[in-house]
Amino acid sequence: GAVVSQHPSWVICKSGTSVKIECRSLDFQATTMFWYRQFPKQSLMLMATSNEGSKATYEQGVEKDKFLINHASLTLSTLTVTSAHPEDSSFYICSARDPTELLAKNIQYFGAGTRLSVL
Amino acid sequence: GENVEQHPSTLSVQEGDSAVIKCTYSDSASNYFPWYKQELGKGPQLIIDIRSNVGEKKDQRIAVTLNKTAKHFSLHITETQPEDSAVYFCAANYGGSQGNLIFGKGTKLSVKP
Repeated sequence: GAVVSQHPSWVICKSGTSVKIECRSLDFQATTMFWYRQFPKQSLMLMATSNEGSKATYEQGVEKDKFLINHASLTLSTLTVTSAHPEDSSFYICSARDPTELLAKNIQYFGAGTRLSVL
Repeated sequence: GENVEQHPSTLSVQEGDSAVIKCTYSDSASNYFPWYKQELGKGPQLIIDIRSNVGEKKDQRIAVTLNKTAKHFSLHITETQPEDSAVYFCAANYGGSQGNLIFGKGTKLSVKP
């Protein structure tokens, strides 16, 4: 299957600072990437859909000014958590779809996740 | 709104036994149902998926069944091994064939040696 790389895997930051998380599709071009948030022992909650060359589509209740998403190329999407606070501490996971898989358009390949701890 | 219910939330089996996890979905337009395995501190890994035009799919020790009429699908793991221990998530697409995925709450599977 396709490979999605996410970096960093773990980040600790001070309250009020911004953190950028990168998501790369390594062996395919992803026109669509997704950003999820996962709290301990809970399911994945979709935050936003990132579309290459256009604005991200945010789910209800997700602050777009707080969670900035940029998808400037077909292989890279970034999530920036701005002015992070302790309540933003969570596990953030990206995924990507391979548009060339004509018979498998819905398949999402996930990155390894980023654990964010805000002090 | 769209919803995916997953049961049980925890499952403990002896090595060699079978494990079954069940999910139900609400969107009758859903036609893609993947299962993901997530190990501690890692991202979800796709282990098997099924589309609405088939009722069952197998891949070695793993199988998935789909009942479109009842809107439920199940993951079956036979001859479980300790390395099968993980959290398993079911999902269903919504909003059409190009739609996003909605996930179940997960099942923590523990396989005891």
